[in-house]
Amino acid sequence: DQQVKQNSPSLSVQEGRISILNCDYTNSMFDYFLWYKKYPAEGPTFLISISSIKDKNEDGRFTVFLNKSAKHLSLHIVPSQPGDSAVYFCAASGTYGGSQGNLIFGKGTKLSVKP
Amino acid sequence: DAGVIQSPRHEVTEMGQEVTLRCKPISGHNSLFWYRQTMMRGLELLIYFNNNVPIDDSGMPEDRFSAKMPNASFSTLKIQPSEPRDSAVYFCASSLWGYEQYFGPGTRLTVT
Repeated sequence: DQQVKQNSPSLSVQEGRISILNCDYTNSMFDYFLWYKKYPAEGPTFLISISSIKDKNEDGRFTVFLNKSAKHLSLHIVPSQPGDSAVYFCAASGTYGGSQGNLIFGKGTKLSVKP
Repeated sequence: DAGVIQSPRHEVTEMGQEVTLRCKPISGHNSLFWYRQTMMRGLELLIYFNNNVPIDDSGMPEDRFSAKMPNASFSTLKIQPSEPRDSAVYFCASSLWGYEQYFGPGTRLTVT
């Protein structure tokens, strides 16, 4: 059974608008969450992360929100740009501060930002 | 910084042949991860190392798969014998203590 779920395989938004990508998890032991972006023929690139002691983390146009009670996190991109078009992966780990770093990935959401 | 280096980028081989994938992690990183990506299963962790020691290989699908890390700057993933269902993109990633992992460009393996 999938522990990290991205239920929307694709999302299309207009340039300049907000993109919201969602992720749900089932394991309450997860305490660190990450978003990765992947372009075709490249490896995933780390984008932003959040630990379970926070409910929001912001980095420029990217903000991640964590709702622990709902076991839900989301990535907001504002404003969206055509260069943001990529596959976005949500990942979770249950070893914050430890040395294991076993990440569980969702299956990804393909974002298309139209000019 | 050269990032994580993987070779080859593409590998086409026949069923039954041995395949060796190579990875050079980012200098100074102490954790190394091997992933496989397929359409059906997404990104799956196969094995990871901390300080060159294998920590968790529960994701390795079968005994045909083996991985080594002889030193801090090199790791291999070997499949012997290869089968068509092993066709996938294999990623290597490295990190410092396992959190923000930095991925290589991947090796696209096709087994015919």
